[in-house]
Amino acid sequence: DAGVIQSPRHEVTEMGQEVTLRCKPISGHNSLFWYRQTMMRGLELLIYFNNNVPIDDSGMPEDRFSAKMPNASFSTLKIQPSEPRDSAVYFCASSSGPGQGAIEQYFGPGTRLTVT
Amino acid sequence: AQSVTQPDIHITVSEGASLELRCNYSYGATPYLFWYVQSPGQGLQLLLKYFSGDTLVQGIKGFEAEFKRSQSSFNLRKPSVHWSDAAEYFCAVGAPNNAGNMLTFGGGTRLMVKP
Repeated sequence: DAGVIQSPRHEVTEMGQEVTLRCKPISGHNSLFWYRQTMMRGLELLIYFNNNVPIDDSGMPEDRFSAKMPNASFSTLKIQPSEPRDSAVYFCASSSGPGQGAIEQYFGPGTRLTVT
Repeated sequence: AQSVTQPDIHITVSEGASLELRCNYSYGATPYLFWYVQSPGQGLQLLLKYFSGDTLVQGIKGFEAEFKRSQSSFNLRKPSVHWSDAAEYFCAVGAPNNAGNMLTFGGGTRLMVKP
């Protein structure tokens, strides 16, 4: 398996622009997670989906952030409009859960976003 | 709700020395426990996990961790550190029967290895 795939790997954009990050989970996995990592705040869970349905988006910082999962093999995280404080590494992870043997999450390589 | 504390933000060890990274959790029952490693510029990779049974679990790259219920701890150990082990290490907790599959991550411990 190719693992979790994220694109782009790097994104540089200007303040006010729309940014779309993409994720393809591991085939057969039912849960998908979006995280943000910064030096100041560490690793933060933004939102997660079970069977394509958003379960908890309480970590989404504000209305500028939105996430969708139109099917089991694709998810997007959109920021509109982007701000410099959104600069971070964004990770997507998936798991085959729920269930004891399925709760571990597998992470993608991340997208490094820089907003100037 | 569960929480995870990694008391050491940074640790420096000499190559060949032993290593122990601390992890303490807060949860009302026995949780699922994980250690992940993140090399620079990479995503998080699962090192090992504990669900039940033997409290000493073996992982990849020569790491092991021991679950101690009385201390609410799940410390990561390695008998002899290699320079390639320099990375950030995250402890994580999951709740059994959590239909959402969420994991709660600690703040991480950055390991530096001296030659």
